[in-house]
Amino acid sequence: DADVTQTPRNRITKTGKRIMLECSQTKGHDRMYWYRQDPGLGLQLIYYSFDVKDINKGEISDGYSVSRQAQAKFSLSLESAIPNQTALYFCATSDLQGGVNEQFFGPGTRLTVL
Amino acid sequence: SQQGEEDPQALSIQEGENATMNCSYKTSINNLQWYRQNSGRGLVHLILIRSNEREKHSGRLRVTLDTSKKSSSLLITASRAADTASYFCATDAFFSGNTGKLIFGQGTTLQVKP
Repeated sequence: DADVTQTPRNRITKTGKRIMLECSQTKGHDRMYWYRQDPGLGLQLIYYSFDVKDINKGEISDGYSVSRQAQAKFSLSLESAIPNQTALYFCATSDLQGGVNEQFFGPGTRLTVL
Repeated sequence: SQQGEEDPQALSIQEGENATMNCSYKTSINNLQWYRQNSGRGLVHLILIRSNEREKHSGRLRVTLDTSKKSSSLLITASRAADTASYFCATDAFFSGNTGKLIFGQGTTLQVKP
């Protein structure tokens, strides 16, 4: 969905490096999410935010941190990258319109940690 | 932990045939959603069924929900090669009215042969 963008799209880094993945949205949604997908698996929730002042841990937050700089921006950081953080990372947004949490996904960032 | 378990993990059919995918879940839900993912790309919302609904249609898609069995199925009729993708169910679990998180299954990979 072009309304949700992620940068970079691909990144190769080395163990121990700090990495930041960025997500921007023009949908005007309050809620933003970061997911991780490993090959052949579903999505696991890392962190989520319901508004600028709200940050919540997901299922697999260890080794990650986030920052909600504005309603439109939600960044994910790997403080010290390790090889098992190699994965596809997705950002998503929602607005709970009609009481429904339909989520809109960005194109993903493919991260490789050597 | 994964709420949704999908079956089969992989499905290969000929163009024109119907494809059926199943999803089972564990906790009470507000709604269940199906998403599609083309290889390496972000997920796209297909259809949602609320907990008080039993069946829903959208074009060639038909979704059923059986809350007593905690299961759902997605039927794609008259499949096309372009339907080749991974399909994920996602449950919007009920947490005291806070529908903040979706929990995704591991997905079914569908291949439609021309």
